[in-house]
Amino acid sequence: DAGVIQSPRHEVTEMGQEVTLRCKPISGHDYLFWYRQTMMRGLELLIYFNNNVPIDDSGMPEDRFSAKMPNASFSTLKIQPSEPRDSAVYFCASSLSDTGYTFGSGTRLTVV
Amino acid sequence: SQKIEQNSEALNIQEGKTATLTCNYTNYSPAYLQWYRQDPGRGPVFLLLIRENEKEKRKERLKVTFDTTLKQSLFHITASQPADSATYLCALGAQTGANNLFFGTGTRLTVIP
Repeated sequence: DAGVIQSPRHEVTEMGQEVTLRCKPISGHDYLFWYRQTMMRGLELLIYFNNNVPIDDSGMPEDRFSAKMPNASFSTLKIQPSEPRDSAVYFCASSLSDTGYTFGSGTRLTVV
Repeated sequence: SQKIEQNSEALNIQEGKTATLTCNYTNYSPAYLQWYRQDPGRGPVFLLLIRENEKEKRKERLKVTFDTTLKQSLFHITASQPADSATYLCALGAQTGANNLFFGTGTRLTVIP
């Protein structure tokens, strides 16, 4: 397996634009997580899915953020409109229940 | 809400010595605790999982302890090598019924040759 695949690796966008981050989890994993990492706040859980169903989105900062998982092999995190304070590294991870997570390489987002 | 503290932002240690990293938590009773390694520009990599009813777990040169009374986990790397230099993150597993992790901010370990 190629692991968790995220795209793009880097994204630079202007404030106010829509940004879509993509994730392909490991086949067979039934949990998918979106995290955001900054120097100030570390790794923060944004939302997670179990069997494609959103379970907890309490970490989503505000209505500008949305996430979908239309099937077991694909998830998106969308920010609309983007703001400079959204600049961070966004990680997707997948796992089986009660096991370690496998993280993707992350998407470094810069909003100017 | 839960609070996770890792003992220091940075730890320097001489090659061959044992590195000990500390993770303390409050306001939480995790079902399990995990440790991850993160290298610059990469995602965290899972190392070990220890459950609340386990006192100690080992994997090669790594050892993790979990004291639910002290609300503390210790992470040891024996015979440390320069290749062990990285940031190490502890993460609390949610209580029964959920599967999300809450991460500490990490300790950056440097092993000096």
